Amino acid sequence: GAVVSQHPSRVICKSGTSVKIECRSLDFQATTMFWYRQFPKQSLMLMATSNEGSKATYEQGVEKDKFLINHASLTLSTLTVTSAHPEDSSFYICSARARERNQETQYFGPGTRLLVL
Amino acid sequence: GENVEQHPSTLSVQEGDSAVIKCTYSDSASNYFPWYKQELGKRPQLIIDIRSNVGEKKDQRIAVTLNKTAKHFSLHITETQPEDSAVYFCAASKTGGGADGLTFGKGTHLIIQP
Repeated sequence: GAVVSQHPSRVICKSGTSVKIECRSLDFQATTMFWYRQFPKQSLMLMATSNEGSKATYEQGVEKDKFLINHASLTLSTLTVTSAHPEDSSFYICSARARERNQETQYFGPGTRLLVL
Repeated sequence: GENVEQHPSTLSVQEGDSAVIKCTYSDSASNYFPWYKQELGKRPQLIIDIRSNVGEKKDQRIAVTLNKTAKHFSLHITETQPEDSAVYFCAASKTGGGADGLTFGKGTHLIIQP
């Protein structure tokens, strides 16, 4: 199956700093990747859709200037949390659009746990 | 936008019994319904999915049913085993799972009692 990786797996940072998270499709090309956020014991919430070579589409309530997304190649999308604050502490998970057996689905990365002090 | 409701939030069953988790969705344009299993601190793993052109799909001990008229779909796990213990999420999408992000239910914590 399709393999998606994320880096780093865990990051701790001070309030006010920026953090970059990478999402890579390892064995396939992904024209579309998605970024989700999951707070403890809650569900996954879609933050934005990242399309290679174009601007990301953000869900309602997600600040595009705070969560910068870049999808510069068919295998890499990055999410930068700018000026992070404690309330941004969460589990950030990306997924990538993949086509298998002539049907499309999404495969998830392992997630990045962000803790802002 | 789409809204997905999932029940129950917690389900405890005896090992060997069956477990059923139910979801409803609001947007009649949704046509793709995956189920994910998530263990603590790990990524969601796709366990089965169904598209709106079929009413039922089965893969060994796992089955999913879809009622488009009523806008609900269910996950059935038979002969449950301890390793089935996890949080299960249903989700819905309008574009077959590819071009649009997924709207998730709130999850069901499945506990298999030995």
